[in-house]
Amino acid sequence: GAGVSQSPSNKVTEKGKDVELRCDPISGHTALYWYRQSLGQGLEFLIYFQGNSAPDKSGLPSDRFSAERTGGSVSTLTIQRTQQEDSAVYLCASSPPRRDADYEQYFGPGTRLTVT
Amino acid sequence: DAKTTQPPSMDCAEGRAANLPCNHSTISGNEYVYWYRQIHSQGPQYIIHGLKNNETNEMASLIITEDRKSSTLILPHATLRDTAVYYCIVRSSNTGKLIFGQGTTLQVKP
Repeated sequence: GAGVSQSPSNKVTEKGKDVELRCDPISGHTALYWYRQSLGQGLEFLIYFQGNSAPDKSGLPSDRFSAERTGGSVSTLTIQRTQQEDSAVYLCASSPPRRDADYEQYFGPGTRLTVT
Repeated sequence: DAKTTQPPSMDCAEGRAANLPCNHSTISGNEYVYWYRQIHSQGPQYIIHGLKNNETNEMASLIITEDRKSSTLILPHATLRDTAVYYCIVRSSNTGKLIFGQGTTLQVKP
C-alpha cells in the first residue's frame, strides 16, 4: 500500500520567507510525527500528534515553528521567517493505533529545505 | 527517555553476521529498546524492538541482556544493501516520540 508521502521533495526559499511542508500519513494511522535532520546529524524530534490528544510540541526549536493536523490525517509544518539554520531535511512519520507500546513508525522520504 | 551509547562506526564482511552493540544502562522498567536504520538519503526504517525477551524477525535478531542495560542487534548475513546508519533508541511506553542519537555507521564490505 501507499506509504507516508511528503511534499515538496525539495524547497529553496529566501531568508525571512515563510514555508509550509506537507505530510500525508498512511491511511488509518492515528499518530503523526515531525523530525528534522541537519546535514550529517541525527534526527531531531519536533512534534507529535496522537489522535485527538493535545500534540507534544516539546521539540519545536522556536515559536517560528508550528504544525497542524487537520481531520486527523494530513499535517502541515509551517516555518515563519525562515533562517539559514532552518536548512535541513524535514521528515514525517506515522504509526498505527497503539497497542500498548507495540508499534513502529513509518517514515516518509522527507522534504529538503534550503534557506538562502 | 534513557540515553543510549553506540560505537560511531563498524565494518562487516558481506555474508557474515553483523553484531551492533548498544548500551542503555539507565533504562527503566517501562522503556522499550527500538532499532531503526537509515540508508543514505532515505527516511529511517524500523527494524525491530523488544522489552525483555530476545526478538527475531525477518530482518534481524535483538538480544537484550538480563539486566536490560545493553542489547545487540544481529544481522545474520549482511549484504551490501545493509550499509546504513543504525540507531538504537530507548522509548517509554508513555510517549510515541523517538529520541535519536548519532547511531552506528555500518559499512558492509565485499
